[in-house]
Amino acid sequence: KNEVEQSPQNLTAQEGEFITINCSYSVGISALHWLQQHPGGGIVSLFMLSSGKKKHGRLIATINIQEKHSSLHITASHPRDSAVYICAVILYGQNFVFGPGTRLSVLP
Amino acid sequence: SQTIHQWPATLVQPVGSPLSLECTVEGTSNPNLYWYRQAAGRGLQLLFYSVGIGQISSEVPQNLSASRPQDRQFILSSKKLLLSDSGFYLCAWSLLGGNSPLHFGNGTRLTVT
Repeated sequence: KNEVEQSPQNLTAQEGEFITINCSYSVGISALHWLQQHPGGGIVSLFMLSSGKKKHGRLIATINIQEKHSSLHITASHPRDSAVYICAVILYGQNFVFGPGTRLSVLP
Repeated sequence: SQTIHQWPATLVQPVGSPLSLECTVEGTSNPNLYWYRQAAGRGLQLLFYSVGIGQISSEVPQNLSASRPQDRQFILSSKKLLLSDSGFYLCAWSLLGGNSPLHFGNGTRLTVT
């Protein structure tokens, strides 16, 4: 069983839709990281959080430590949001463990 | 501000040839440095990480090696490439102490022919 799972694996949405990507993990962590990988391959950091919620523009990330679950929400989605979204957890004293990614396509 | 440079962006090499990918970080001192590989359609796999000059930890046995000759320089090498070494290689850095985000380079797409 993978330590970090994401759902859905693939997601297609129409421009303007509200999008939710989920991440669940099976071990204790010190923090969770949401990353965005563009079609060209470059990866950028979106959020790092260990509790509660963070918001940046149209992106919102939440985490529930007790339930070992995090969600990434995109409001008013746009075709430029099309990317692979990767959840990564930081295990206590260890390195990052990555989820398999969710491929999002937003159609105009 | 901190920046990370990784080159080359793309590389096509024949089987059996050597490899050297270089990564440098600017604007920070004593970072943790990482090499990841991403096979087509798959997640990120940690290859090597380093917490200091000359200190390299390997996560998986493989045909590759890494070196850190300077604080902010991380090199991925191979003496003889295999077809299975093809993939997308990403260098990344984070600060020591945990709970620090990862910052990635733009990646190198390696095709071994």
